[in-house]
Amino acid sequence: QQPVQSPQAVILREGEDAVINCSSSKALYSVHWYRQKHGEAPVFLMILLKGGEQKGHEKISASFNEKKQQSSLYLTASQLSYSGTYFCGSGTSYGKLTFGQGTILTVHP
Amino acid sequence: NAGVTQTPKFRILKIGQSMTLQCTQDMNHNYMYWYRQDPGMGLKLIYYSVGAGITDKGEVPNGYNVSRSTTEDFPLRLELAAPSQTSVYFCASTLQGKKADNQPQHFGDGTRLSIL
Repeated sequence: QQPVQSPQAVILREGEDAVINCSSSKALYSVHWYRQKHGEAPVFLMILLKGGEQKGHEKISASFNEKKQQSSLYLTASQLSYSGTYFCGSGTSYGKLTFGQGTILTVHP
Repeated sequence: NAGVTQTPKFRILKIGQSMTLQCTQDMNHNYMYWYRQDPGMGLKLIYYSVGAGITDKGEVPNGYNVSRSTTEDFPLRLELAAPSQTSVYFCASTLQGKKADNQPQHFGDGTRLSIL
């Protein structure tokens, strides 16, 4: 089953912060975060694993609450380059990912 | 380093035609994946492969076939194209070890396919 992301869209001014949430009705073993700009391929941001290990982007942080089956992506001091659609993916066997529907982030000057 | 390369970038097909979307990677990744992305939606897994000669269905495999004869190549075949297959198709690859879900996927630039 597909993870559910919230909010569906966020509009920010440069320098503001944002939080994007990802919830699953099934147990989460790992959560992957990607950013996709219009007309381009998704780009890897972050992986969160059970047990708290994180791999990813130096300017973006995330949390993973295994009990609540939720993950949140924290974007601080947003830049224009942060604009795009953010997807979370629930990791399963063989590295397969089930992606959420996406959150559109728009950063204005 | 080219990464994941997909061809063609764009294609228009008529209903009932067939075509093969090509995907090749030069990173010696063992796992490869095909996704489709409909407008305004997330990516859905069509097929995946854990190595040469091994493929399996994903979430939305109907109307598609794949093969993996080499580590580098993972072509996706559409037989009897239908309007519902109009989408953007992404190929991805990753190097997986014993823990199969802890590595990022590297995506190609996508193939934009329209069925008319």
